[in-house]
Amino acid sequence: SQQGEEDPQALSIQEGENATMNCSYKTSINNLQWYRQNSGRGLVHLILIRSNEREKHSGRLRVTLDTSKKSSSLLITASRAADTASYFCATEAQGGSEKLVFGKGTKLTVNP
Amino acid sequence: DTEVTQTPKHLVMGMTNKKSLKCEQHMGHRAMYWYKQKAKKPPELMFVYSYEKLSINESVPSRFSPECPNSSLLNLHLHALQPEDSALYLCASSHLTGANVLTFGAGSRLTVL
Repeated sequence: SQQGEEDPQALSIQEGENATMNCSYKTSINNLQWYRQNSGRGLVHLILIRSNEREKHSGRLRVTLDTSKKSSSLLITASRAADTASYFCATEAQGGSEKLVFGKGTKLTVNP
Repeated sequence: DTEVTQTPKHLVMGMTNKKSLKCEQHMGHRAMYWYKQKAKKPPELMFVYSYEKLSINESVPSRFSPECPNSSLLNLHLHALQPEDSALYLCASSHLTGANVLTFGAGSRLTVL
């Protein structure tokens, strides 16, 4: 299975702290994406990193990708209570595919 | 318009009922998706339509029947469902050019009694 595995499964931090979530996957990919899901709602795309990129930034988000280890990390800096959500990585297989496979997710709680 | 709209938001049905979930987008996306998500689990792909043709069926039971009447609409017809089919059903769409970035709807919460 290409499914990503996030760790930790759950993370609880205080407002202002940084949150780091990790994702591992099993097969070669075109790109890796991170999505956010507020409780019981739809997912929202956060950031995409291509297989030939190593790091990408967007606002308070920083994503890294290590294709040799088949892993990625998402760092949220200066977290806010509003960042409380579940975060999923998703991979698109190498060669291109309509099939985006989601990892198991990390439940982030940011305490005010 | 940058939204994917799903109706209804909530649906309760018996095992003998026939119902449908609907999804609409006006972003010109040519791929549309159905995902199923159980509580505390990741979304699982069910179907993909590309250019209004079914391109991926992830071995979904025939009690789920997708339909794509045109490039903006996607339906999921439900018949003889089981209680274990209770879940959040998510519709998504994407361009078929470049990276496959999905825009999701808010989901339809289905309860099967």
